[in-house]
Amino acid sequence: ETGVTQTPRHLVMGMTNKKSLKCEQHLGHNAMYWYKQSAKKPLELMFVYNFKEQTENNSVPSRFSPECPNSSHLFLHLHTLQPEDSALYLCASSRALGSYNEQFFGPGTRLTVL
Amino acid sequence: AQKITQTQPGMFVQEKEAVTLDCTYDTSDPSYGLFWYKQPSSGEMIFLIYQGSYDQQNATEGRYSLNFQKARKSANLVISASQLGDSAMYFCAMRGTTGNTPLVFGKGTRLSVIA
Repeated sequence: ETGVTQTPRHLVMGMTNKKSLKCEQHLGHNAMYWYKQSAKKPLELMFVYNFKEQTENNSVPSRFSPECPNSSHLFLHLHTLQPEDSALYLCASSRALGSYNEQFFGPGTRLTVL
Repeated sequence: AQKITQTQPGMFVQEKEAVTLDCTYDTSDPSYGLFWYKQPSSGEMIFLIYQGSYDQQNATEGRYSLNFQKARKSANLVISASQLGDSAMYFCAMRGTTGNTPLVFGKGTRLSVIA
């Protein structure tokens, strides 16, 4: 059983919809991450949270809004998305920030924007 | 800035044979970590192996080993005794220690194991 879960696994939404992606980690980690994986592009870091505080926003458009209510949960709120936002959105967690801390990933949410 | 280069978009290997997946990196950080992840068609990124830049020995985890050549800035993944279940995308990644540097990924190599 994976220590990082994501819901939903698949999501189809229109450009005017508002939806949220949920991530939960059961590993007791303190850092959580959102990544975007588009076809034929490297994995792109979107946001980093450490002890519930956002430490990095990698120039992500404001139509993506993260929320981290506690160290175990991470949300990505979506509104007025564009078709080019269609991608696999991966959540990850690590024990702490730092180069020696491996990140554990969830199964991802495959998002399609119509 | 950090950069990961994986020059092999796709690789084929016969079942039970060994295969090497290439990874080169570029960084100005004196200390960094190197990672390999496997991504099957289900989408989940599975951590495989980690190598610290100051580790004296190459990392090994079961059938996975990392051929770390610091002077060449390469961190190739070696999979021994390939299995059909090894067919997946493989990503090399690195992270520096200066500030909160992010984990930087390469574009990946698609490995196909043939029976």
